[in-house]
Order: sequence, then structure tokens, then C-alpha cells
Amino acid sequence: DAKTTQPTSMDCAEGRAANLPCNHSTISGNEYVYWYRQIHSQGPQYIIHGLKNNETNEMASLIITEDRKSSTLILPHATLRDTAVYYCIVRVRGQGAQKLVFGQGTRLTINP
Amino acid sequence: EAGVAQSPRYKIIEKRQSVAFWCNPISGHATLYWYQQILGQGPKLLIQFQNNGVVDDSQLPKDRFSAERLKGVDSTLKIQPAKLEDSAVYLCASSPRLAGEPNEQFFGPGTRLTVL
Repeated sequence: DAKTTQPTSMDCAEGRAANLPCNHSTISGNEYVYWYRQIHSQGPQYIIHGLKNNETNEMASLIITEDRKSSTLILPHATLRDTAVYYCIVRVRGQGAQKLVFGQGTRLTINP
Repeated sequence: EAGVAQSPRYKIIEKRQSVAFWCNPISGHATLYWYQQILGQGPKLLIQFQNNGVVDDSQLPKDRFSAERLKGVDSTLKIQPAKLEDSAVYLCASSPRLAGEPNEQFFGPGTRLTVL
């Protein structure tokens, strides 16, 4: 199963783009990259996922390198409400079912 | 659309006591998950149901934890007897997609369990 490596913490100024890196050098060809975030005292929230191509939705953009060994989640205009722990997850195949294995994540703090 | 509901939100018990948590997933979601989140760590999957069948319970401590999903809708997670190390937030999540496909999981607010 692919493992992910993320910085423990990051800071970003409000209104600026927040770029959260993730390394997944052992990812296999049919594994997806998912991003979730967890705001304090809430359950995790799905943000975006991708396989090979870059993806964008109303919340964020996901940039995956051509070799798929790393990715970057981009929050284009960070607000104070984006302060949360962000998890980069590689989907694990287990017993024929989808399984998400959460690591420690990156604690992102948006500063006014 | 209503989200995943969990109750209670908080529970304090003494070690060796029993406790049960309840989860009501989003209507129509076939897959339901229970996670345990210890303070400072990411959530860890305990058990996954598809409809009322167990898909994965490999990380469920079966000597003390049990879970069921009757009629493929609501689910309960029980701990009997509780240990100090069971202190954690128990999160329930549901997904509209069948297991095996890329999925989005929708999480409830969690139940914070403190074992004294």
C-alpha cells in the first residue's frame, strides 16, 4: 500500500494561495490520490481526488506530477475558515473494498 | 440533504463499563464506515459495511468491540468492556458508491468517548 508524506504544519496569509504538498512515491498505477480536511471538532470533509490529470472543483485544485510520485493541493484564496488538518490519502485496496488510510496530515493555519 | 447523524456527541464512562454509539447515514448510502480517532492522530477504520454485510473488519478489536447494521440503514458500535485506551472520537461515515469504486465519504460529527 502506498504511503504518503506531508509536512506537519504550514502557515498561509488570508487571501493568498495555500499550496499543500504530498509525496506518494510508491503509488501504483491504479491508485487514486484523495484529499480530505478536518476542521476542529468536526468530521473529515472530502475535498477532491484524482488519478493522473489535474483536477479542479469549487473548493480546490489538485496538481499531480507526471510521474505521480507527488501532488499539491491548492486553495486559491485561503480564508480563515480553511484553517484545518489536511489529509493526503492514497486509496488502499483491501478485501475488495475501498478503504481510506489517514496519516497525520498537515495542520494548515490561515493567518489574518 | 441531511448529513450523517451520530449520538451521543459526548460520553464519559469508567473502565470496564459498556457503551454504545449510534449512526444514521445519509439516506440511500449503501456503504457505512466506523472510524476511531485518537487525539492527535488521523482516523483509523474499524469496520466497513455494504448494506447490512461486513466488507472489512480487519482492524476491529473483536474481543471487545462489536458493530451491526440492521436493515442496511442505521448502525451501532458497542464497546464491552471499555479500556482507558478506547478514549477517542468515534466517527461514522457513509458513501453513496459501491465499495471498489472511487468514493467520497461523508462524515458525521463524531462521538467523543472518555474512559476514566
